[in-house]
Amino acid sequence: DAKTTQPPSMDCAEGRAANLPCNHSTISGNEYVYWYRQIHSQGPQYIIHGLKNNETNEMASLIITEDRKSSTLILPHATLRDTAVYYCIVRVSYTGTASKLTFGTGTRLQVTL
Amino acid sequence: EPEVTQTPSHQVTQMGQEVILRCVPISNHLYFYWYRQILGQKVEFLVSFYNNEISEKSEIFDDRFSVERPDGSNFTLKIRSTKLEDSAMYFCASSEQGAGYEQYFGPGTRLTVT
Repeated sequence: DAKTTQPPSMDCAEGRAANLPCNHSTISGNEYVYWYRQIHSQGPQYIIHGLKNNETNEMASLIITEDRKSSTLILPHATLRDTAVYYCIVRVSYTGTASKLTFGTGTRLQVTL
Repeated sequence: EPEVTQTPSHQVTQMGQEVILRCVPISNHLYFYWYRQILGQKVEFLVSFYNNEISEKSEIFDDRFSVERPDGSNFTLKIRSTKLEDSAMYFCASSEQGAGYEQYFGPGTRLTVT
């Protein structure tokens, strides 16, 4: 799986959009970009994933650059409950096979009043 | 909403003892995983399991570790001859399908080896 680079920490004011960047310059054509988060010591929580098109769900939006070398996770209206470590993970997606997630150190997002 | 459950939430054991960590994956999921997180460190992959056999295991998953799906609902991680360095948070995860699908994680079991 391709390596990802994320800033170690970011701050965001409550109610504002949180934009979390991720660099994955060695991503290959069959690799997806996944985002998970971990609130305190809880189990990681899936947020969103995409291949090359921008994606949106009820939690967040994922913007992937045209060359796929970087992406941005957007939390449109951050709340205090969004304070967590956010992980950007690149992995292949072949159906029919189990596929591990390789976690890095992620970005610690602190949402403040 | 269906969720992955794990028991116990906290397990304390003495070095050299055996422990079994239990997980109930989401009912229609077919792929199962164990991860661990030592305090202050990254989440690390241990093992994946599909069709009643191990699909992949990491270097951490040595011969003291084993996994089993004893019935249609439980997925267990057994650690024999526990060591101090096994102290960590252990997370179970499951997914409906394999690589293309998101994994859902349980709340974890905190294992403390004394």
